[in-house]
Amino acid sequence: GESVGLHLPTLSVQEGDNSIINCAYSNSASDYFIWYKQESGKGPQFIIDIRSNMDKRQGQRVTVLLNKTVKHLSLQIAATQPGDSAVYFCAEIPIIQGAQKLVFGQGTRLTINP
Amino acid sequence: DSGVTQTPKHLITATGQRVTLRCSPRSGDLSVYWYQQSLDQGLQFLIQYYNGEERAKGNILERFSAQQFPDLHSELNLSSLELGDSALYFCASSVPAGGSPLHFGNGTRLTVT
Repeated sequence: GESVGLHLPTLSVQEGDNSIINCAYSNSASDYFIWYKQESGKGPQFIIDIRSNMDKRQGQRVTVLLNKTVKHLSLQIAATQPGDSAVYFCAEIPIIQGAQKLVFGQGTRLTINP
Repeated sequence: DSGVTQTPKHLITATGQRVTLRCSPRSGDLSVYWYQQSLDQGLQFLIQYYNGEERAKGNILERFSAQQFPDLHSELNLSSLELGDSALYFCASSVPAGGSPLHFGNGTRLTVT
């Protein structure tokens, strides 16, 4: 069945360093992927998305990389700031199913050391 | 601000009771989704509605039901509540087109005592 997982449950980085959060997925039919950030007491906030016809997509301080060969997704955050502390979820959608049923990973907690 | 509004923010009730959670989607979004997030757990998909019709079902218990009204707001009804139903319940909405991100509200925290 579908499953989305994360390699590390927690990640601790120094302020100013780059962060890399990884995600593995198992459904080959998934062709749309999203990264969400969830701060304490809030709902998941959309960060960036990527479709399966792309390998890389950049946003403001964030980059998502997609490796379809090994079914791997990563989120890179440049110059990590204290405000980046949150839980990050990757999610996948097989658009061909018609209904958008996001499958979320368990999440990675990112903590920033001053 | 995602534009998705959920009420109430907090709800405390006793076992066996019934509650209703409300969601107003972003302006223009026809799809509404409900998710459950238990402590230290990921987001579990419950159900999706599109323009008033049920579109997809996930791990939703028979004690739970939902509907989407003509004005597109949605309600999630939870009945015969159990301690294990204590969780955060999120609503999300999206535009009709496939391959669009879901935008989440800030959730309703349900505590069953």
